[in-house]
Amino acid sequence: KQEVTQIPAALSVPEGENLVLNCSFTDSAIYNLQWFRQDPGKGLTSLLLIQSSQREQTSGRLNASLDKSSGRSTLYIAASQPGDSATYLCAVSGGSYIPTFGRGTSLIVHP
Amino acid sequence: GAVVSQHPSRVICKSGTSVKIECRSLDFQATTMFWYRQFPKQSLMLMATSNEGSKATYEQGVEKDKFLINHASLTLSTLTVTSAHPEDSSFYICSARAQGAGGPGTGELFFGEGSRLTVL
Repeated sequence: KQEVTQIPAALSVPEGENLVLNCSFTDSAIYNLQWFRQDPGKGLTSLLLIQSSQREQTSGRLNASLDKSSGRSTLYIAASQPGDSATYLCAVSGGSYIPTFGRGTSLIVHP
Repeated sequence: GAVVSQHPSRVICKSGTSVKIECRSLDFQATTMFWYRQFPKQSLMLMATSNEGSKATYEQGVEKDKFLINHASLTLSTLTVTSAHPEDSSFYICSARAQGAGGPGTGELFFGEGSRLTVL
């Protein structure tokens, strides 16, 4: 059974810092890995999708990498802003096509 | 990106009534939709996987007679909470998967905005 772990569970940083959020998974037989953000009381917004054949994806200040062999993905957030404050979740999809979510990293960026 | 519409966003009902939540994929066809429940400050808990034209697959511990799921078309899935009780109060979120190049399970997941259910 796939297990997804996200570290750290919470992060509080001053504006402008470059951040690293980590996601690890136990079963490397995956189809894709997806990063989301969730604002309080809202649904999830897709940030980046990495297919199993890809090593990384970039969108604006966000960069996500994938290392299937080691079961790790990293989300980099450059020059963090208060608007980046949210919970960040990673989800891994494998042979069952059912995504497995981590518990998330709660990020606060203070001015 | 693709859009998933979930309605209603908030609903308050009396104990014993039934509530229906709709989840629509607006600009893509979704053969598979997922229903989640989320408690405050907790991660998502998968309730069931909904496949178009067939019965939903429920996760262990989820009462299928309590949480009725119907996926009648490629763009619509509904969750009905029957005979709701205060312990059913929660945030319910649906998601739909767009078909990817590698097959139906390889596409991107898109989520609705969630439905806050409060049972009095």
